[in-house]
Amino acid sequence: EDQVTQSPEALRLQEGESSSLNCSYTVSGLRGLFWYRQDPGKGPEFLFTLYSAGEEKEKERLKATLTKKESFLHITAPKPEDSATYLCAGTSGSARQLTFGSGTQLTVLP
Amino acid sequence: DTGVSQDPRHKITKRGQNVTFRCDPISEHNRLYWYRQTLGQGPEFLTYFQNEAQLEKSRLLSDRFSAERPKGSFSTLEIQRTEQGDSAMYLCASSFKRTGVLIGLGEQFFGPGTRLTVL
Repeated sequence: EDQVTQSPEALRLQEGESSSLNCSYTVSGLRGLFWYRQDPGKGPEFLFTLYSAGEEKEKERLKATLTKKESFLHITAPKPEDSATYLCAGTSGSARQLTFGSGTQLTVLP
Repeated sequence: DTGVSQDPRHKITKRGQNVTFRCDPISEHNRLYWYRQTLGQGPEFLTYFQNEAQLEKSRLLSDRFSAERPKGSFSTLEIQRTEQGDSAMYLCASSFKRTGVLIGLGEQFFGPGTRLTVL
């Protein structure tokens, strides 16, 4: 059974303090690894798709990387507006649905 | 704004009542998904349509749940005889997948969700 695990569950950073969020997956025949951002009471907002090990994508202060077993979301010099829950999800084989982790709740303090 | 829309945004009902939610996907998207999310958890897949055909259903989707997508446009999710355990955020997502294209999974774009509370 496909499984996605995110760590840490919660992370508090000072503004400007860079860090990384981890997503480890056991998804047979991974076809894509997705990162989403979710604000309280809202639906997830798409950030990145990664298809193969070694791939990297960047958007503003965020950079996502993928290895054969895990993905990292690096946050460089975060700002309070980066506070949100970050969700990782995988899709495999012929499956169309996403298997999500439980998310990392990020709080960036001013 | 041409994103995914859901209606209603909030629904409070009494146990045993039936409820129906609506999702309007992004207009050119041919795939539509329903997920359920409880507090502190990631979304869990419920069911998926390609055009009007319901192609996959999760084991989470009990007989009390039914989804339709007539004419391959909007979709409805109905829950019959609601139970307190059905209280959750119900999320709809849509994507576009070109046939014959191996690369490009068609990223899923989510709506704002419908928050269901069963008393």
